Amino acid sequence: AQSVTQLDSHVSVSEGTPVLLRCNYSSSYSPSLFWYVQHPNKGLQLLLKYTSAATLVKGINGFEAEFKKSETSFHLTKPSAHMSDAAEYFCVVTPHSGNTGKLIFGQGTTLQVKP
Amino acid sequence: GAGVSQSPSNKVTEKGKDVELRCDPISGHTALYWYRQSLGQGLEFLIYFQGNSAPDKSGLPSDRFSAERTGGSVSTLTIQRTQQEDSAVYLCASSLDGGDSPYEQYFGPGTRLTVT
Repeated sequence: AQSVTQLDSHVSVSEGTPVLLRCNYSSSYSPSLFWYVQHPNKGLQLLLKYTSAATLVKGINGFEAEFKKSETSFHLTKPSAHMSDAAEYFCVVTPHSGNTGKLIFGQGTTLQVKP
Repeated sequence: GAGVSQSPSNKVTEKGKDVELRCDPISGHTALYWYRQSLGQGLEFLIYFQGNSAPDKSGLPSDRFSAERTGGSVSTLTIQRTQQEDSAVYLCASSLDGGDSPYEQYFGPGTRLTVT
């Protein structure tokens, strides 16, 4: 079965410092991996996606993630946090092979950005 | 253009009553998904539509839950005899295609259901 584990339920950083949100996946097949963001009282928005092309994926708002098959990881990073980055972040997997495209979400990481 | 819309935005109902939640996907999107977001269970898949058919209903938690899609567009999620554990935010998403296609799923704002 496919799944994702977000290693931190809550991450706090200061504005201007780097962000690291950790995600490990489990999949029997070559997965597609995503990061979604959910700002308070707003809908889910796609940050970036990996679909077996380049292992370093760049997304919106300066975020990027690197797919590491040997470590089964897909960590999200940003060099410098902004106050507007405070939100809930979800690592997501959708498996190939007979897949319906349904998304399997991690438990989420709340990012707090302190001034 | 218009995004995915859902109605109502909030619904409070008494235990045992039936509720209907509506989703209007982005025009031209053939794939439609329902998810549920709750404190205890996180975000979980409920059902997937391709056109008007539902090839994957594996996430529906019980037979009290059903969904339909008509005209390849609007979808309705119905919960019969609601229970308190049904309280959650119900999210709808649509995409150009489903299956193995890596198309982005666009999410609606959700319907917050509270069962008292």
